[in-house]
Amino acid sequence: EIVLTQSPATLSLSPGERATLSCRTSQSISNLLAWYQQKPGRAPRLLIYDASTRATGIPARFSGSGSGTDFTLTISSLEPEDFAVYYCQQRPDWPITFGQGTRLEIK
Amino acid sequence: QVTLRESGPALVKPTQTLTLTCTFSGFSLNTGGMCVSWLRQPPGKALEWLALINWDDDKYYTTSLKTRLTISKDTSKNQVVLTMTNMDPVDTATYFCARTFYGDFYFDYWGQGTLVTVSS
Repeated sequence: EIVLTQSPATLSLSPGERATLSCRTSQSISNLLAWYQQKPGRAPRLLIYDASTRATGIPARFSGSGSGTDFTLTISSLEPEDFAVYYCQQRPDWPITFGQGTRLEIK
Repeated sequence: QVTLRESGPALVKPTQTLTLTCTFSGFSLNTGGMCVSWLRQPPGKALEWLALINWDDDKYYTTSLKTRLTISKDTSKNQVVLTMTNMDPVDTATYFCARTFYGDFYFDYWGQGTLVTVSS
């Protein structure tokens, strides 16, 4: 089973600042990684797939990068609605696994 | 448009079997490549993928729960059913169903989730 480790666990920033979230995998997965955003009481929303492709309707301030074992989600300038929990997910190996999440909170 | 909705009991007793139904619209599980998965999220914790069924009736399960899970589909009703046997309080979670594509396995549409509490 591929283990995904996200860091930091919590990130405290202000609106307008740049956010950088990390996801590291226990085995190389090429670029086969997705990022999701989840707000309290809501289902996750797909943001990024194949490490760097934005899903339909996702604003350009969200970008993803990385390959192999190290991946990054960047939010270029935080909007108030971006404060949420973010999860990474790998898909090339069964079982499908998620990271433990990074909570992005308002400073 | 694509929608999914989970239904099932909100409360089950330990040792009982949980049966959840995902009713979807906007796509068909008769379409090649189409899949539906079940996932769960204990309160305040991370997401966990549980099971997947594809258009060809192939089934995949998470390793740790494989002996307790069964996923099935009824394409005429646009439904996917998950059963989990021998429920335990640690299985208390919000259970989601989600759509994905075979070979892609990213979850692009989700249901709103249903909270299942396991308690005597």
